[in-house]
Amino acid sequence: DTEVTQTPKHLVMGMTNKKSLKCEQHMGHRAMYWYKQKAKKPPELMFVYSYEKLSINESVPSRFSPECPNSSLLNLHLHALQPEDSALYLCASSQESSGGHNEQFFGPGTRLTVL
Amino acid sequence: AQSVAQPEDQVNVAEGNPLTVKCTYSVSGNPYLFWYVQYPNRGLQFLLKYITGDNLVKGSYGFEAEFNKSQTSFHLKKPSALVSDSALYFCAVNQGAGSYQLTFGKGTKLSVIP
Repeated sequence: DTEVTQTPKHLVMGMTNKKSLKCEQHMGHRAMYWYKQKAKKPPELMFVYSYEKLSINESVPSRFSPECPNSSLLNLHLHALQPEDSALYLCASSQESSGGHNEQFFGPGTRLTVL
Repeated sequence: AQSVAQPEDQVNVAEGNPLTVKCTYSVSGNPYLFWYVQYPNRGLQFLLKYITGDNLVKGSYGFEAEFNKSQTSFHLKKPSALVSDSALYFCAVNQGAGSYQLTFGKGTKLSVIP
């Protein structure tokens, strides 16, 4: 299984809502990532988990809260978002290594619209 | 700091012709270089990478890339373009040494014209 799955595929939420994005992989990867991508732009790294521990937070606002319940799952909890947070949210995973040479496998993304 | 430049926003090529998508990079030390492709409303798909060794790297779907250290380039190539190759292509660099952080170029939209 070389797939990263993400749910939901689309999400529309109001600025006062609380919602969660989910990501799952069964490749035995120990590094997992959240990216935000605006249309026709490159992905922007938000968070990196390594061995279920948060290792990188790219100064992301606290209205985004990541969680890694186990080595296969990654969640992104959303609360009080702004319209400018509307974007494609991508999850990725890679083998853990100290060298940074492992490719990342990306999920199809969740298209988020904040009204 | 590491950076990647993709000088062309868009590349148009006729079906059956060779294609090149350009990428240059800047890192201190040895780079790990990657190419990804993104089809509309999809995630990124890994195409190929350069870590060390042979400067010509072969990847998925007939793509290849040539690492040129003196020109700090890693251009993506394919001998014969297909209409289905039309997509957004991203070059990325990782400085390695324990870093998980990929730095992406801005992307190049490839259009293959029938």
